[in-house]
Amino acid sequence: DQQVKQNSPSLSVQEGRISILNCDYTNSMFDYFLWYKKYPAEGPTFLISISSIKDKNEDGRFTVFLNKSAKHLSLHIVPSQPGDSAVYFCAASPNSGGSNYKLTFGKGTLLTVNP
Amino acid sequence: DAMVIQNPRYQVTQFGKPVTLSCSQTLNHNVMYWYQQKSSQAPKLLFHYYDKDFNNEADTPDNFQSRRPNTSFCFLDIRSPGLGDAAMYLCATSRPWGYEQYFGPGTRLTVT
Repeated sequence: DQQVKQNSPSLSVQEGRISILNCDYTNSMFDYFLWYKKYPAEGPTFLISISSIKDKNEDGRFTVFLNKSAKHLSLHIVPSQPGDSAVYFCAASPNSGGSNYKLTFGKGTLLTVNP
Repeated sequence: DAMVIQNPRYQVTQFGKPVTLSCSQTLNHNVMYWYQQKSSQAPKLLFHYYDKDFNNEADTPDNFQSRRPNTSFCFLDIRSPGLGDAAMYLCATSRPWGYEQYFGPGTRLTVT
């Protein structure tokens, strides 16, 4: 049973336009969400995160929005650049009360930004 | 640069022949994780260590074992690889009470 779902396997956008990547989750215990970016032949790298006490977090061209009632988050990239072409993974973690925060990942969305 | 290193990057093993994958880190993080990622699937956590404390996921097959001899190194042992174990294996580290995990480049395992 997938607890983190990225329903779009791929997305193609034009350079300079907005890219919107979506993620849905089912586990109400998740309280921290992260986006990772992965280039071919490299490991995932952390991009941006958001705590459940917020509904928006912004870092340069990247903004993550969280809608807790809908159990939905999205990553906006504005403006999109060809170097943003990669697989984007959504990940979520519960606050287990311990010191190790386990991440549950979605399957990823392949973003292609066309020049 | 502080980093997570995985060796080898590509590993071919025969059906049933034990194989060991290696991960090392220069970040001095207490927590180390091993994930399995099959094609077009989400990375799946196999187990993790907090220092020497080993934590196995409930659905990780017994065929998979791990060792962490010191803070810097962690090994994934597959005792009798089956064809279904062919996958990318990702190692990651994190600080205690830190959500962000730092990943290595992965080892692509092929089972023939």
